[in-house]
Amino acid sequence: EPEVTQTPSHQVTQMGQEVILRCVPISNHLYFYWYRQILGQKVEFLVSFYNNEISEKSEIFDDQFSVERPDGSNFTLKIRSTKLEDSAMYFCASTQTSGGFKEQYFGPGTRLTVT
Amino acid sequence: QKEVEQDPGPLSVPEGAIVSLNCTYSNSAFQYFMWYRQYSRKGPELLMYTYSSGNKEDGRFTAQVDKSSKYISLFIRDSQPSDSATYLCAMSSYGGNQFYFGTGTSLTVIP
Repeated sequence: EPEVTQTPSHQVTQMGQEVILRCVPISNHLYFYWYRQILGQKVEFLVSFYNNEISEKSEIFDDQFSVERPDGSNFTLKIRSTKLEDSAMYFCASTQTSGGFKEQYFGPGTRLTVT
Repeated sequence: QKEVEQDPGPLSVPEGAIVSLNCTYSNSAFQYFMWYRQYSRKGPELLMYTYSSGNKEDGRFTAQVDKSSKYISLFIRDSQPSDSATYLCAMSSYGGNQFYFGTGTSLTVIP
């Protein structure tokens, strides 16, 4: 069964460093998403991406964040200068449909620890 | 604004019990109501979704939506130890990209 994959599973970085989280969405999917989950808190939407551009973003997704689909398979989230509060699980998701309900398939997540 | 509220539990029940999980919400624009299951160190996995009000059944799982009360429920009949996980409710507007999640309820089914 096709699945969303994410690498690395755990990333440790120092405050102020740049990190890139990588995702490979399901191959025939068209919409791509990043969510984050701070320990003990809700899963929060960051950004959606369609047709090589951001279609929607939340207040969390400020200038420190960027997304890219550098080739036909990868979808990346970059955090330019990490802060302690960026420590969280980051989930990538993808969906095929453009209709009313977009069933989003989630990857296993990358745990980001900022020290 | 607290869009979606969910009791985090934890909830512990004996095998075979009926489990009731609930969420409330504030945004009238929500049209899709979802239940995700999340095992430790895994991403959320969609269990089922409902459009607008009403009930939906899938095997041992029943989802209910009451839009007038802004209240949704997930019932698990004949609960099994394999049902032990965190259950997340999520909601979106029609055609919406952004899913709004509850905090998740941790469920343990004791053999």
